[in-house]
Amino acid sequence: ETGVTQTPRHLVMGMTNKKSLKCEQHLGHNAMYWYKQSAKKPLELMFVYNFKEQTENNSVPSRFSPECPNSSHLFLHLHTLQPEDSALYLCASSLTVSRNTEAFFGQGTRLTVV
Amino acid sequence: EDKVVQSPLSLVVHEGDTVTLNCSYEVTNFRSLLWYKQEKKAPTFLFMLTSSGIEKKSGRLSSILDKKELFSILNITATQTGDSAVYLCAVEDSSNTGKLIFGQGTTLQVKP
Repeated sequence: ETGVTQTPRHLVMGMTNKKSLKCEQHLGHNAMYWYKQSAKKPLELMFVYNFKEQTENNSVPSRFSPECPNSSHLFLHLHTLQPEDSALYLCASSLTVSRNTEAFFGQGTRLTVV
Repeated sequence: EDKVVQSPLSLVVHEGDTVTLNCSYEVTNFRSLLWYKQEKKAPTFLFMLTSSGIEKKSGRLSSILDKKELFSILNITATQTGDSAVYLCAVEDSSNTGKLIFGQGTTLQVKP
């Protein structure tokens, strides 16, 4: 248990659906991250939030929309996804972005787009 | 384009064997190199390396960085079945945006 909780753990959605992934931490961290892990590909950084402000958007398509209402919660809103978006989505947190090497990862949400 | 490459992509050994995992990188603004172990889903931190030639050690695991040749190795001695996992190498960008560039990972399977 890392202290970073992601829900749901598994999600199957159709291409026309809208769903949201949730990440929560109560570690007192101020930086939160979304990563995508596809089969046989490196872990890809998607978004970074530092003190609720987005500091990095790694050229992510607009069908992925992050939201960070406070330093403890991070959401990833999904709409009109494609089958190639099927992957493991990992959330991580660290004290600040400058302490990102001490990031704690959640267990991930396994997303399947059908 | 910044990239991190790990080799081999997968490895099968028997308990008691010693393994060496490799990570090479081409990153413009290098700050540090990190190793993670990913069992099931959540990666957990192993080592952070910033200086060349200084070995970091934790039990049967050790790692070293060569900033001249731009690579790092992770050694695991006397492997156990519990070492079976994906080992991820990442390089921290020094731009202070929180960016970590990951390699593809090496999947290690240790057989009894």
